[in-house]
Amino acid sequence: QKEVEQNSGPLSVPEGAIASLNCTYSDRGSQSFFWYRQYSGKSPELIMSIYSNGDKEDGRFTAQLNKASQYVSLLIRDSQPSDSATYLCAVNRDISSGSARQLTFGSGTQLTVLP
Amino acid sequence: GAVVSQHPSRVICKSGTSVKIECRSLDFQATTMFWYRQFPKKSLMLMATSNEGSKATYEQGVEKDKFLINHASLTLSTLTVTSAHPEDSSFYICSARGQGLGEQYFGPGTRLTVT
Repeated sequence: QKEVEQNSGPLSVPEGAIASLNCTYSDRGSQSFFWYRQYSGKSPELIMSIYSNGDKEDGRFTAQLNKASQYVSLLIRDSQPSDSATYLCAVNRDISSGSARQLTFGSGTQLTVLP
Repeated sequence: GAVVSQHPSRVICKSGTSVKIECRSLDFQATTMFWYRQFPKKSLMLMATSNEGSKATYEQGVEKDKFLINHASLTLSTLTVTSAHPEDSSFYICSARGQGLGEQYFGPGTRLTVT
């Protein structure tokens, strides 16, 4: 089982729709969770971070965390063609594991927003 | 968000030469910097983690004598690819995290082509 799993997609949604991206993780000691957006040929860009259970909203983006289910998601409302990118879920392991708090990345979900 | 720069953005070199890539945190002190490489349409692969003033910790399978990492100050880390070969051609990306920051910010990446 991969430490961080994402559906690789591609996920296609029409412009204006809600895009839902999902991520599960295996380490129950994980403490912090991040979503990055990566355009083709570019480096990842941090778009959301979440640390506690529940929802966190920032503009059109909402991150949802459920530690009991080991599940984190990203919702993008009113999707735009410019949102078309690969979205990476990243999890920070428990510092007591001696991991030096490295991020563990999922393989990414490719999102295409169709005009 | 915090800003991380990388230089050069693109480099072409001949086989057997060495290439140095610089990573700078512009508006925060980076206690930890990370170096990744990414092949086309593939996931990020962590190469090494460096803390300011100490030796880098390399991931399994990454040759420390080939990929020299120096984190001499709280704002600068360098990656030197020694005796580069065509198979070292890749997209190299650094990221940085400050003390107390959970978030990790990426530089824009350096595209290395070895001919």
